[in-house]
Amino acid sequence: SQQGEEDPQALSIQEGENATMNCSYKTSINNLQWYRQNSGRGLVHLILIRSNEREKHSGRLRVTLDTSKKSSSLLITASRAADTASYFCAPFTNAGNNRKLIWGLGTSLAVNP
Amino acid sequence: DTAVSQTPKYLVTQMGNDKSIKCEQNLGHDTMYWYKQDSKKFLKIMFSYNNKELIINETVPNRFSPKSPDKAHLNLHINSLELGDSAVYFCASRSSRAHGYTFGSGTRLTVV
Repeated sequence: SQQGEEDPQALSIQEGENATMNCSYKTSINNLQWYRQNSGRGLVHLILIRSNEREKHSGRLRVTLDTSKKSSSLLITASRAADTASYFCAPFTNAGNNRKLIWGLGTSLAVNP
Repeated sequence: DTAVSQTPKYLVTQMGNDKSIKCEQNLGHDTMYWYKQDSKKFLKIMFSYNNKELIINETVPNRFSPKSPDKAHLNLHINSLELGDSAVYFCASRSSRAHGYTFGSGTRLTVV
């Protein structure tokens, strides 16, 4: 299966705490992207990290990438109730000239006020 | 202005019917996609078009037929709908100069 895997599947924290979500994948990648999906809505692109990068920041988001371990993490600092959503990591692969994102089942994050 | 718009947002129909979902993007992107998201939230790519040319066609029943009349539109036609087709279908687009995808808000299809 080319499916990526997020861990944990569900996470519940209090407002103000940090949330860490992990992702593992199996193929070689060009880059890895994180998306957020609010309930009943489309996915929103959060951040992209290239295969030659190890860490990237965007506001309260910090993403790391370890290509040797084929893993990535997303850290949301000082979480807010509005961060409640599902978060998906999506490795972008060029394998076999078939350029596409590979999706897992996501991490469901609940931030309690 | 909606960047990627899909219509309809909800679609309830009986088994055996034929239906279409439309997608339009006003971002000037050259690649468009159709995804199916099941009840477990797993996103499965169905089709991808680049400049109106089919470039990805995953293992999808041939009851599903995409049509791209121009770069800004990618429609999905489904024949002989089955119960298992019930899902949320997302359209997305991407520029060849960037890798981030822009998604539509989805079409919730319910086959009864």
